[in-house]
Formats: sequence, C-alpha cells, structure tokens
Amino acid sequence: QSVLTQPPSVSGAPGQRVTISCTGSSSNIGAGYDVHWYQQLPGTAPKLLIYGNSNRPSGVPDRFSGSKSGTSASLAITGLQAEDEADYYCQSYDSSLSGLFGGGTKLTVL
Amino acid sequence: QVQLQESGPGLVKPSETLSLTCTVSGGSISSYYWSWIRQPPGKGLEWIGYIYYSGSTNYNPSLKSRVTISVDTSKNQFSLKLSSVTAADTAVYYCARLVGPTVTTFGWFDPWGQGTLVTVSS
Repeated sequence: QSVLTQPPSVSGAPGQRVTISCTGSSSNIGAGYDVHWYQQLPGTAPKLLIYGNSNRPSGVPDRFSGSKSGTSASLAITGLQAEDEADYYCQSYDSSLSGLFGGGTKLTVL
Repeated sequence: QVQLQESGPGLVKPSETLSLTCTVSGGSISSYYWSWIRQPPGKGLEWIGYIYYSGSTNYNPSLKSRVTISVDTSKNQFSLKLSSVTAADTAVYYCARLVGPTVTTFGWFDPWGQGTLVTVSS
C-alpha cells in the first residue's frame, strides 16, 4: 500500500479525456510539496511527463496536463491516443518517508 | 544531452552485496543530485536514495541500514551498494538525475538510465 494512492487502472477510447488521481496526506502533498508525473511505456524506463505539479518538459504534448489541490493531484490526458497506453506514476516528498512514488496506474486505450 | 547507463552483475547471491555503477555522459556530474530507483518485476517504483556531487547523501528510511551511494567525479560515475540482499531485492535498478531539490520540493527525476535487472538467487 503506497503512501500516495493511485487507481490501479483507468481506460478510455481514442479521442476521449481521462484523469488519473494521486491522493496523499497532510505530510506530503497536503504539506505543499510538489507532485511530478512519469509515463512508463511497456518495457522501457519511466519518462518525466509533468514536473512541479503542472509544468511540461520540452517535447511533451499539451494533451498532458497536471494539477494539484489540497492533498491530491491529478494528471489529465485529452485526445487519447493508442500510444498513450502505459503505466503512469506520481511522485512527491513525505516529511517522514522522504522521496516516494504512487503505486502506479495502468492506462488502457480501448 | 545527458545520458545515464547502469552497469553491474545481473545475478547476486542471497546475503551478498549488490553493486551497480551509473555512468553519466553528455554532461558533468558536478552541480547535480543523482539517484537510484528500483522496480520489482510487475510492481511499482521505489526510491532508494540520492547523492550530491559533493558526496552528501539521503536514503530511503526503509533501506537506509543496507544502502551506500558514492560518487566518483573524476570518472563521472556514481555507485550503489546494497548489502545483505534477499529475493525481495530482485528488481530493475534505474539511475536518474534528481533535478531541482529545494525546501518546497524533493525534485524530479530526469533523465533516467535504461535500467538493469538484478536477480537475487543462489
């Protein structure tokens, strides 16, 4: 059981919008620490998708967006494409546990 | 751009020490933080620890008693040692650069190495 809770799986049809939640507590996200998101395509290393809650690195399509409120954060993907099928992880900091990742969410494009 | 490559034995016996090295190319190891992260087969990511180029370290409390991360700036490399390994330490081990740690953020990992699978078995 991860300190940062993500749904194990989400799915959507091509072109649709999906969101992935990352729920923490007052000792991590709720304490004001930033949340970052990674995409892990099958058989590859994770890749930075969103940093500092809502910033996209160069090269990441604007279909991907991040937000944070209270003790939770969310990753939204619009205009879903087959190539978006991957595992997604949130990451933050906990005052007692130091660096930590969410348990991961498998996105299936129907 | 900066690239990272892990290297080391793919098989380690139980109770022995796992040793991996990460070579940084395309940029200097200086002025940055560098980290190790692992992923057991079919499972999620776990942060192991990080080192600043000057040598200061921070480890995951759950692994702290068994982990040592060191840096060799002359070779542009940093290394991981994990002692007294068991089957539970079987995982793909990634090295990554930790960007932007401040008082309000732990920072984020970018870029990552391709990862190396380490199996603990006799």
